[in-house]
Amino acid sequence: DTAVSQTPKYLVTQMGNDKSIKCEQNLGHDTMYWYKQDSKKFLKIMFSYNNKELIINETVPNRFSPKSPDKAHLNLHINSLELGDSAVYFCASSPALAGATDTQYFGPGTRLTVL
Amino acid sequence: DQQVKQNSPSLSVQEGRISILNCDYTNSMFDYFLWYKKYPAEGPTFLISISSIKDKNEDGRFTVFLNKSAKHLSLHIVPSQPGDSAVYFCAASGRDDKIIFGKGTRLHILP
Repeated sequence: DTAVSQTPKYLVTQMGNDKSIKCEQNLGHDTMYWYKQDSKKFLKIMFSYNNKELIINETVPNRFSPKSPDKAHLNLHINSLELGDSAVYFCASSPALAGATDTQYFGPGTRLTVL
Repeated sequence: DQQVKQNSPSLSVQEGRISILNCDYTNSMFDYFLWYKKYPAEGPTFLISISSIKDKNEDGRFTVFLNKSAKHLSLHIVPSQPGDSAVYFCAASGRDDKIIFGKGTRLHILP
């Protein structure tokens, strides 16, 4: 009965590969997010989508491309993986566009390790 | 540029006592503040929030205090319980709808 789910939970891959992380929420929320938790433990927003439209796009390399096929899904595709991409990536969702004042519900995270 | 700072990476508190987690921010445009709790191998879960028009918000054992002039907020947990052992993230947002998180404080509740 997971509210926000991510797959895979762990991802180990070689530099230069292309990989995707999937996120699904069954809460009926309109807004979804991707966050990166780096080695210094900061949780930084990368993207947010509202009803399949890109709302927030932080300074993220264009190797990262979010895709939202419908409002319940927000996938993250990463091209040409680099060592510095190793991190834990969290997906989140919130009910409305004003996501900052809405409770955000987080997925369990995907630990990406680039070798 | 750390707009939200949690200067204590960890804190140990005896079970039953009060836990006080602190957070400072630099951006005076922030108008909403949140605390999230995170267990290992899980995503953060929302705990409590406060709008900048208030100076206190209470929910059961959890109280958040906001001191706007000092740009400081704190989370009080009383009484502390073993299940409170987790990492606590302070977060803040302004009109741009982005939430900025601190680095987190690991709370250990000692038996």
